Amino acid sequence: DAGVIQSPRHEVTEMGQEVTLRCKPISGHDYLFWYRQTMMRGLELLIYFNNNVPIDDSGMPEDRFSAKMPNASFSTLKIQPSEPRDSAVYFCASSTQGKGEQFFGPGTRLTVL
Amino acid sequence: DAKTTQPPSMDCAEGRAANLPCNHSTISGNEYVYWYRQIHSQGPQYIIHGLKNNETNEMASLIITEDRKSSTLILPHATLRDTAVYYCIVRSGSARQLTFGSGTQLTVLP
Repeated sequence: DAGVIQSPRHEVTEMGQEVTLRCKPISGHDYLFWYRQTMMRGLELLIYFNNNVPIDDSGMPEDRFSAKMPNASFSTLKIQPSEPRDSAVYFCASSTQGKGEQFFGPGTRLTVL
Repeated sequence: DAKTTQPPSMDCAEGRAANLPCNHSTISGNEYVYWYRQIHSQGPQYIIHGLKNNETNEMASLIITEDRKSSTLILPHATLRDTAVYYCIVRSGSARQLTFGSGTQLTVLP
């Protein structure tokens, strides 16, 4: 298996632009997690899905952030409009049956100018 | 989930055992101890987990004290590639998310 795949690996955009991050979980995994990592706040859970349904989005910072999972093999995290404080590394992870062993992707490094 | 306390940094000589401590004095009976590590610029990687008994796998050993208030992750023969931030996480059996703290930066020295 190729593991969790994220794209793009790097994204540089200007304030106010829309940003879409993509994730393909490991085949057969029924849980998908979106995390954000910054120097100031560390690694934070933003939202997670079970069987494509959002379960807990309490970590989503504000309405500018939205996440979808249209099918079991694809999820997106969208920021609209983006702000400089959104600059961070965004990780996607997946797991099976809610087990604590989560498999993380390589991350997307987002820079908002 | 219970809060964990880890030293911010540790050094270890290459080839020696690395012993990383974690305090979780408020852990509940149904909470597991998980260890992850994050090598620079990569996503976190699962290492091992346990509930009460000591556990061992191909990567590491996990020693949990009898009162479960602390644990130690042991890398038996550390290599330079083990340099990473190591996270100790306490998670209940019913939870699905992981809450990462600040972890321990382990530096393996040649």
